[in-house]
Amino acid sequence: DGGITQSPKYLFRKEGQNVTLSCEQNLNHDAMYWYRQDPGQGLRLIYYSQIVNDFQKGDIAEGYSVSREKKESFPLTVTSAQKNPTAFYLCASSIGPNYGYTFGSGTRLTVV
Amino acid sequence: QKEVEQDPGPLSVPEGAIVSLNCTYSNSAFQYFMWYRQYSRKGPELLMYTYSSGNKEDGRFTAQVDKSSKYISLFIRDSQPSDSATYLCAMSGSGNTPLVFGKGTRLSVIA
Repeated sequence: DGGITQSPKYLFRKEGQNVTLSCEQNLNHDAMYWYRQDPGQGLRLIYYSQIVNDFQKGDIAEGYSVSREKKESFPLTVTSAQKNPTAFYLCASSIGPNYGYTFGSGTRLTVV
Repeated sequence: QKEVEQDPGPLSVPEGAIVSLNCTYSNSAFQYFMWYRQYSRKGPELLMYTYSSGNKEDGRFTAQVDKSSKYISLFIRDSQPSDSATYLCAMSGSGNTPLVFGKGTRLSVIA
């Protein structure tokens, strides 16, 4: 079955560490997105990529980095520069910008 | 003024009730309108997709878009406890910009 897979489901990070969240899709979608979800804040866009080897900053890109070396994969690194990284992170993909998104099941990151 | 406004609720209704969920927006360039349903600790799933103005019906769900008022609605008929979730509206324009999401409305359907 086609879908989008995020791993791990839960992640704990010590302050000062970088961590990488995985996102893989087998839907042959060109566009991929990373969102952060906090209680009462809705979905906030971190980074997005509409084609391999190209990506753009979203509304809250500071302290995050991404790469898009393969169509199927769009990993997100949460760096030590991100001051408040504890959140629920969602990856999504779509055929294009005006089509519906398919979301992964999310990664819950906690700083300990 | 935020681009997309959505009442966060929570909204609590008895089983069988008709539910009305709404969003307003400020960007007149928006043409693609969607509703997503998100269960607790899960990713959102696409529920309804509408282009431009008008109505779209799918089973117990009806999506309405009124571009003149910059207002979209989702109606749920004969609501069930399994409809208890957070509902997010989302929209985009004709360019290559990503979807803009509302903050979501939390719905509880009580048996």
